[in-house]
Amino acid sequence: DTGVSQDPRHKITKRGQNVTFRCDPISEHNRLYWYRQTLGQGPEFLTYFQNEAQLEKSRLLSDRFSAERPKGSFSTLEIQRTEQGDSAMYLCASSSVGEKLFFGSGTQLSVL
Amino acid sequence: AQTVTQSQPEMSVQEAETVTLSCTYDTSENNYYLFWYKQPPSRQMILVIRQEAYKQQNATENRFSVNFQKAAKSFSLKISDSQLGDTAMYFCAFYTNAGKSTFGDGTTLTVKP
Repeated sequence: DTGVSQDPRHKITKRGQNVTFRCDPISEHNRLYWYRQTLGQGPEFLTYFQNEAQLEKSRLLSDRFSAERPKGSFSTLEIQRTEQGDSAMYLCASSSVGEKLFFGSGTQLSVL
Repeated sequence: AQTVTQSQPEMSVQEAETVTLSCTYDTSENNYYLFWYKQPPSRQMILVIRQEAYKQQNATENRFSVNFQKAAKSFSLKISDSQLGDTAMYFCAFYTNAGKSTFGDGTTLTVKP
């Protein structure tokens, strides 16, 4: 069990730029989740995949956000035309059906 | 839609004492799971304890136990013999078989020496 890996750990970008984050889940897990967390708040659900299928996407997610999970392995989360309000920790988690979520260490995004 | 409410934004406890963190939830689902996660200053989310809704027996994990009241939709966490390393933010989370998950806004627990 090598754990869930996220890359990069930190990202600083200028407003209006595009950013992409990567998540490598635990290999045998078929579910992968993306969350956003701001300081002092709980993780806010963004989207999740079962294998390569994106099964649910939060209504809070604007169309500037897109996520993919080609071949049901790693996943990417892209934010286009970043805004200062996008500054947050982006967490990835994976699980098997009905099992606990294993979280990565997160990507801290700062939009200047 | 599911909601998870943690009514205690901050709690403190003396080392070696016992503390209980509250969590209530609302759902129309019948099959689901409840979790408590711990998030220390490193911000790494760590699972503390897990409860399946269909099990009547309360889950325990060493010093951590839950009081699961399904009819009342309540899921509190009891930490016994509190240790300094228990200082962290604690999140209650709800998770369905369909993959929907909802987290509460957390309780910041401080263990005082």
